[in-house]
Amino acid sequence: DAKTTQPNSMESNEEEPVHLPCNHSTISGTDYIHWYRQLPSQGPEYVIHGLTSNVNNRMASLAIAEDRKSSTLILHRATLRDAAVYYCILRANNNAGNMLTFGGGTRLMVKP
Amino acid sequence: DSGVTQTPKHLITATGQRVTLRCSPRSGDLSVYWYQQSLDQGLQFLIQYYNGEERAKGNILERFSAQQFPDLHSELNLSSLELGDSALYFCASEGLAAGELFFGEGSRLTVL
Repeated sequence: DAKTTQPNSMESNEEEPVHLPCNHSTISGTDYIHWYRQLPSQGPEYVIHGLTSNVNNRMASLAIAEDRKSSTLILHRATLRDAAVYYCILRANNNAGNMLTFGGGTRLMVKP
Repeated sequence: DSGVTQTPKHLITATGQRVTLRCSPRSGDLSVYWYQQSLDQGLQFLIQYYNGEERAKGNILERFSAQQFPDLHSELNLSSLELGDSALYFCASEGLAAGELFFGEGSRLTVL
């Protein structure tokens, strides 16, 4: 499996934007970039995913580098509820049936 | 609420015992994934079923087994339990439109 590298932890102030980086230099052409987050005492929650183009949804934006070797999850305005572990995952082909391999993720702390 | 239901939420048992964890996927989702999350190992993929058939196997011990029934619910059986099996066990489901896994709230197993 292609691997991802994320900082162990990051801090942000409430109501400010947060940029969570992810490196995936061995990504293959058919790998989709997925982001999940896990709030304390909960199961992982889907955030966003993309292949080549930048993506936006109600939760976040995903900026993908032109060479696809890195990506950035952007939370436009962090709230205390966004404090969680964020996982950047590569998923082959994005077919149902390809499991997600979770790494260590980035623990985001949000200060009031 | 992800729509994925896991029971029991908490379970305390003794070493050497056997337990069964149950997962009800979202209505219509054919894929079920099982993950184990312990403090020192992070989220580890165990096994995946698709419409009753085993699709992929991860780091699942021989003492563990799973199955998916015709009504699509799944059970994870853990036997000859050891202290190290204490963990959160998550189930996730995915529909035909791939891209997003929906995780349950987990079953917390404590082996004493």
